[in-house]
Amino acid sequence: GAGVSQSPSNKVTEKGKDVELRCDPISGHTALYWYRQSLGQGLEFLIYFQGNSAPDKSGLPSDRFSAERTGGSVSTLTIQRTQQEDSAVYLCASSWTGGSGNTIYFGEGSWLTVV
Amino acid sequence: SQQGEEDPQALSIQEGENATMNCSYKTSINNLQWYRQNSGRGLVHLILIRSNEREKHSGRLRVTLDTSKKSSSLLITASRAADTASYFCATERKAAGNKLTFGGGTRVLVKP
Repeated sequence: GAGVSQSPSNKVTEKGKDVELRCDPISGHTALYWYRQSLGQGLEFLIYFQGNSAPDKSGLPSDRFSAERTGGSVSTLTIQRTQQEDSAVYLCASSWTGGSGNTIYFGEGSWLTVV
Repeated sequence: SQQGEEDPQALSIQEGENATMNCSYKTSINNLQWYRQNSGRGLVHLILIRSNEREKHSGRLRVTLDTSKKSSSLLITASRAADTASYFCATERKAAGNKLTFGGGTRVLVKP
């Protein structure tokens, strides 16, 4: 498709399990973001990839969270040993470049529920 | 803390009325963008205003930017029930590698 694709759209996992969330950005977009949104709240920045530069990981809340971007395209966000407070929507977005003034395009999000 | 903070947090108006929401931020920005989110799904870009601009229009949307006060406003004129959504401002700062930082959003309910 032409948009940002995220999978799974919904995930229910048991506390302590690891989860992987996938993001397929728009083809040709070099910048990719992950955000987290708890119910009724704003977007919390997690991590930002721009081309071949080292990712900005300043928003990752703990060392249980990691992300990688293979081949400058698909990205995977991994949460290890999930906790109930990890329950949220995880939103991925991409843009053409990391330059100024770019619009970012969001996927529909992955709803994570930790029980 | 978030770079952008919106107020009010929630707004309820009648169809046909105007809706105004504000965004304040703390440090110098390259530009400020407004996004809309329906029912917790992905956000959609509405409008971008650069730091050297003071006002922009797009259809029924009017955005202002006051860099001296570090604030922006989004006005939706002649609101419709379909405008019911959450609206977020996002600031872009060169010092932050041009990444976008979002505020907490304003939830707007337009009653028919």
